[in-house]
Amino acid sequence: GNSVTQMEGPVTLSEEAFLTINCTYTATGYPSLFWYVQYPGEGLQLLLKATKADDKGSNKGFEATYRKETTSFHLEKGSVQVSDSAVYFCALTVQGAQKLVFGQGTRLTINP
Amino acid sequence: GAVVSQHPSWVICKSGTSVKIECRSLDFQATTMFWYRQFPKQSLMLMATSNEGSKATYEQGVEKDKFLINHASLTLSTLTVTSAHPEDSSFYICSARPSGGFSYNEQFFGPGTRLTVL
Repeated sequence: GNSVTQMEGPVTLSEEAFLTINCTYTATGYPSLFWYVQYPGEGLQLLLKATKADDKGSNKGFEATYRKETTSFHLEKGSVQVSDSAVYFCALTVQGAQKLVFGQGTRLTINP
Repeated sequence: GAVVSQHPSWVICKSGTSVKIECRSLDFQATTMFWYRQFPKQSLMLMATSNEGSKATYEQGVEKDKFLINHASLTLSTLTVTSAHPEDSSFYICSARPSGGFSYNEQFFGPGTRLTVL
């Protein structure tokens, strides 16, 4: 089956620290991969995506590279800000399927 | 573009009453919409897939008679929680997949509706 595993949170960092949130997946076929962000009290927003192997998604200073050989899609940011505090979800969908499969989410807190 | 709205954003109701939540795609047509439920500090649980003009497809363990879904147009899906009980209290989120013009895998999410049943 299809599944997504994220590093367990919560993650607490200081402002300007380097961020990595690990995400690995198992999928039948060739998935598209996504990172979504959920700010407190809000719905999900698409942060970035990659649709094929070796693609790099990027947005707002965040990056993630689709690694087929390690079945990973780790989220990184070089210098985090307090405003990045949120819950981050890794997700996938496979061709022919309508559903998004989400990881469990990682709560990130950035302290000033 | 690609904005999804939900109404209401929050609702408080008495046990035994029914509550309707609307999900609208504001600037695109959506053949397919999805309804999720999110418990505090947990991931999203897909409840059902709603296809315009046909019956919704419910995930295993979701009571179709309790969570009624209607997708009457290409821009509107509704979720009705019937005879709500305190255990139905949760954050309900919808998403919409555009009928065309976007990556076929892309979904856009509404801001969510917080339901509290007293």
